[in-house]
Amino acid sequence: GQQLNQSPQSMFIQEGEDVSMNCTSSSIFNTWLWYKQDPGEGPVLLIALYKAGELTSNGRLTAQFGITRKDSFLNISASIPSDVGIYFCAGHRTSGTYKYIFGTGTRLKVLA
Amino acid sequence: DTEVTQTPKHLVMGMTNKKSLKCEQHMGHRAMYWYKQKAKKPPELMFVYSYEKLSINESVPSRFSPECPNSSLLNLHLHALQPEDSALYLCASSPGLRGDTQYFGPGTRLTVL
Repeated sequence: GQQLNQSPQSMFIQEGEDVSMNCTSSSIFNTWLWYKQDPGEGPVLLIALYKAGELTSNGRLTAQFGITRKDSFLNISASIPSDVGIYFCAGHRTSGTYKYIFGTGTRLKVLA
Repeated sequence: DTEVTQTPKHLVMGMTNKKSLKCEQHMGHRAMYWYKQKAKKPPELMFVYSYEKLSINESVPSRFSPECPNSSLLNLHLHALQPEDSALYLCASSPGLRGDTQYFGPGTRLTVL
């Protein structure tokens, strides 16, 4: 099925560094979401974005809904070891055919 | 209670077995979902229930049979599965279908021998 493209696919960073990742689509979404998934667990919602241009923070996490409505960005500041995991974006479209599609994921590894 | 619970956590079954996965939420959500997730891949939508009625079936093989007995419960009945059906099966719920974010359970790790 359709997937959203996330980059980077994976990254190793040093503890304390800032992290940026993005998600792009060929089609428009009404809502963008960011989830974190630990091994063997379900995705946990981090941030939900509902309006084009919206910038929302949750602790050290900041996410933005792109102006074109076809992309979104997630930043993590001052990374810590527990930030390790897979980060998925998801696009939600409520007009026309229902769509709730996940990105390909960004695997984050933090070096202490 | 803001949780989605799933049982069992792990399940191993043979290709001739019949088993069921269970999902429960007590958040008053009226939409519930089943996803399948293979290793290192994103979750893929299988079924959507809205107000206890099947709303979306993403062309899932008939060996997977969903059931929504009431607004809090969602089952996935499994029969004659194939080894390639081995995956993490995730349940999610949301307040409604339109404009609502989904909250996920911990998943059931299914292995088909």
